[in-house]
Amino acid sequence: QSALTQPASVSGSPGQSITISCTGTSSDVGGYNYVSWYQQHPGKAPKLMIYEVSNRPSGVPDRFSGSKSGNTASLTISGLQAEDEADYYCSSYTSSSTVVFGGGTKLTVL
Amino acid sequence: EVQLVQSGAEVKKPGESLKISCKGSGYSFTSYWIGWVRQMPGKGLEWMGIIYPGDSDTRYSPSFQGQVTISADKSISTAYLQWSSLKASDTAMYYCARSVGSGSGSYVIADYWGQGTLVTVSS
Repeated sequence: QSALTQPASVSGSPGQSITISCTGTSSDVGGYNYVSWYQQHPGKAPKLMIYEVSNRPSGVPDRFSGSKSGNTASLTISGLQAEDEADYYCSSYTSSSTVVFGGGTKLTVL
Repeated sequence: EVQLVQSGAEVKKPGESLKISCKGSGYSFTSYWIGWVRQMPGKGLEWMGIIYPGDSDTRYSPSFQGQVTISADKSISTAYLQWSSLKASDTAMYYCARSVGSGSGSYVIADYWGQGTLVTVSS
């Protein structure tokens, strides 16, 4: 199975909003509401930010939100802060009963 | 407090075998899936496979099927990832993660992660 498609990089200034896309197929993103998003700072383990397309775990700021339309899921971060600078990965359940990650997006806060 | 503690860094030669571990605590180990994720140097995350320690039900990504073995010992709340013959291309950070979900996606959400085990394979 192929990795989900994410932009290699996005950037924004503090206070602005950015959106990261995650494109798959009808066999993964489009077929299930099982999209998750993870944040990874350099040298650290990933951290769950969004699950089941749009749900936030306890402790994740409401500046982070998720959505999906067709085969594309999106992560939006509003009110960007310096500490949001990190790599972000989407993942999805697949029709093969496996999980597939996106290639990752590097977020730079200018 | 949920914790996943992984074994330490390993340096191995090509052709050698290796088994790394992931010990869970602070929750019912047999009631949650444990997944393994590879991250090659400077690269993204790759889902390798997953095991349900309660009954050892195991699923593999097609990319890793036959290349690694995932197992668990529920008596000591520990999951394992093993190789029978390492290659230089196995050099990577490996993470374990407790995985949850609902319905058919009962293991799609990695809510707690281990600290990672760095495996270096070099002659």
